[in-house]
Amino acid sequence: QQPVQSPQAVILREGEDAVINCSSSKALYSVHWYRQKHGEAPVFLMILLKGGEQKGHDKISASFNEKKQQSSLYLTASQLSYSGTYFCGTDNTGGFKTIFGAGTRLFVKA
Amino acid sequence: EAGVAQSPRYKIIEKRQSVAFWCNPISGHATLYWYQQILGQGPKLLIQFQNNGVVDDSQLPKDRFSAERLKGVDSTLKIQPAKLEDSAVYLCASSLDPGSSYEQYFGPGTRLTVT
Repeated sequence: QQPVQSPQAVILREGEDAVINCSSSKALYSVHWYRQKHGEAPVFLMILLKGGEQKGHDKISASFNEKKQQSSLYLTASQLSYSGTYFCGTDNTGGFKTIFGAGTRLFVKA
Repeated sequence: EAGVAQSPRYKIIEKRQSVAFWCNPISGHATLYWYQQILGQGPKLLIQFQNNGVVDDSQLPKDRFSAERLKGVDSTLKIQPAKLEDSAVYLCASSLDPGSSYEQYFGPGTRLTVT
């Protein structure tokens, strides 16, 4: 079951914040977040495991709400380098299969 | 540490022809994935290997796609015969373990155009 990401696209000015949501119709065991720049391979950002933990590094963090079956990625004080497509990958099987969403396109302008 | 290697980077073929892609995962990674990424969409898992064995191939169109992982290291993905709708980027990824608590490392991908 493919997770649903929202919004589909967002345009920011440098320094602005953004939130990207990832929702699943089934119980979540883990959520992966990746960023893909145009013409490049997806690059790992973080994994959140069942238990509702919040993770972060630098100005990018994420939360995992088990009850709501969703995760949110928070980008604060955005930089030009944050531009790209953000994918969430969810595991509903209990540990072995990650299915990716359609992606959220983020464009940061100066 | 060397990343995931893939070749070729680009391939253009006519429909009904065959094509093969090669992937060399990060050393020591037991799990290898092949994804198909159509323009504007997220990666779609085609097949997942754990060492030599197949963990999941439920979305692999087995009438035309095949994949193998030799000696638990390198892998090849083949399409025969190709269709126009196979035009996509084929991504190979590897991870230390099949569990979803492990991050996946992606290769640069092979961009396939079927004309």
